[in-house]
Amino acid sequence: GEDVEQSLFLSVREGDSSVINCTYTDSSSTYLYWYKQEPGAGLQLLTYIFSNMDMKQDQRLTVLLNKKDKHLSLRIADTQTGDSAIYFCAEFYNQGGKLIFGQGTELSVKP
Amino acid sequence: DSGVTQTPKHLITATGQRVTLRCSPRSGDLSVYWYQQSLDQGLQFLIQYYNGEERAKGNILERFSAQQFPDLHSELNLSSLELGDSALYFCASSAAGGAGETQYFGPGTRLLVL
Repeated sequence: GEDVEQSLFLSVREGDSSVINCTYTDSSSTYLYWYKQEPGAGLQLLTYIFSNMDMKQDQRLTVLLNKKDKHLSLRIADTQTGDSAIYFCAEFYNQGGKLIFGQGTELSVKP
Repeated sequence: DSGVTQTPKHLITATGQRVTLRCSPRSGDLSVYWYQQSLDQGLQFLIQYYNGEERAKGNILERFSAQQFPDLHSELNLSSLELGDSALYFCASSAAGGAGETQYFGPGTRLLVL
């Protein structure tokens, strides 16, 4: 089946780390993505991870992948107010060749 | 800036009408995707084209159609519009439309049906 689940809201203090979680269903997914959407804007690709990796780090972003549990997380270190946005997890669904998105997690960063 | 352009940015129309949304992919990208983002349905894949041919189909209504032209730009046609079609419509592009390729999204067209 095609289903990607995320919690809807996360609130953190500026300077703290944020962890956004995602679960997916297609065990054959080859790529998993994180996109950011700021208010009134389009989707911006943040990072992605290939399914044969457990972890990927890119500056303040760390992606962890647990294939056994089909769990993906995005950690943002030293979260800033400019990180406030909606974060979407997406898996590439091999049947039909399409991206399946989660509902998005709204991250609110308080000063 | 992703390099994907979409026009118009905003569109307001009435029920029963027909509209056309336009997308130009990133330079060199052969594949174009259309997505719909609405409050109740979230972000959903509609359809994919590769070099002028339909490649994959998602939750696209029969009232909607799309095409990709020889210059690789794409148009999404929405007809017999209903209130529920009000949404943000995104176009994305990728190099060759292959499995797992990174898709770069345009800024979207916001459609309001009154």
